[in-house]
Amino acid sequence: QSALTQPASVSGSPGQSIIISCTGTSSDVGTYNLVSWYQQHPGKAPRLIIFEVNGRPSGVSNRFSGSKSGNTASLTISGLQAEDEADYYCCSYAGSGPSFVFGPGTRVSV
Amino acid sequence: QVQMVESGGGVVHPGTSLRLSCAASGFTFSSFGLHWVRQAPGKGLEWVAGISADGGKTSYADSLKGRFTITRDNSKEMLYLQMNSLRVDDTAVYFCAKVTWAQYFDFWGQGALVTVSS
Repeated sequence: QSALTQPASVSGSPGQSIIISCTGTSSDVGTYNLVSWYQQHPGKAPRLIIFEVNGRPSGVSNRFSGSKSGNTASLTISGLQAEDEADYYCCSYAGSGPSFVFGPGTRVSV
Repeated sequence: QVQMVESGGGVVHPGTSLRLSCAASGFTFSSFGLHWVRQAPGKGLEWVAGISADGGKTSYADSLKGRFTITRDNSKEMLYLQMNSLRVDDTAVYFCAKVTWAQYFDFWGQGALVTVSS
């Protein structure tokens, strides 16, 4: 159960687009299309923003989108807004158990 | 609406035990798997344990080495985490979370802080 890899921080200006990568292995991200992304503001619980690689829950802005290629998943935030400043975590299903593995989180600064 | 409320956190000494509870409502409790995820101060999320809808199957992070036990009571719509032999590095906010059939966490509690300190 090794953690996924994410950049520690990403920054952008309002209106710009940023991409956060999430690299796993053939035992998790590479095998399952079950990557999810969570947004967490300080002192708050995580909030689901992307499921099953590129699914978006109702109520989540369409400025958030996800993709995957091989062992790496990505979260794109387009039209960056001040409210997007938060920590973002990727998570992958890692096999029957079930078991899950998270990335270390990426701090987004606007 | 879905609500998940953790309780039972507190300050304990190393080597002692603590049981966390999570009261859930707003969904068919007995139909969904539930998990615990923790977050050490200033650190990232770490999956801790999960339990199937009927409670018959459990799974744990390798790092816990059998010290934690996850259980549920579907009649009371409660989730539990029994934590034994607590260590300083178990200090964290513990979140309970509901998982969907597609293996993602769609609802989270607000978290319970566990502090292990001598």
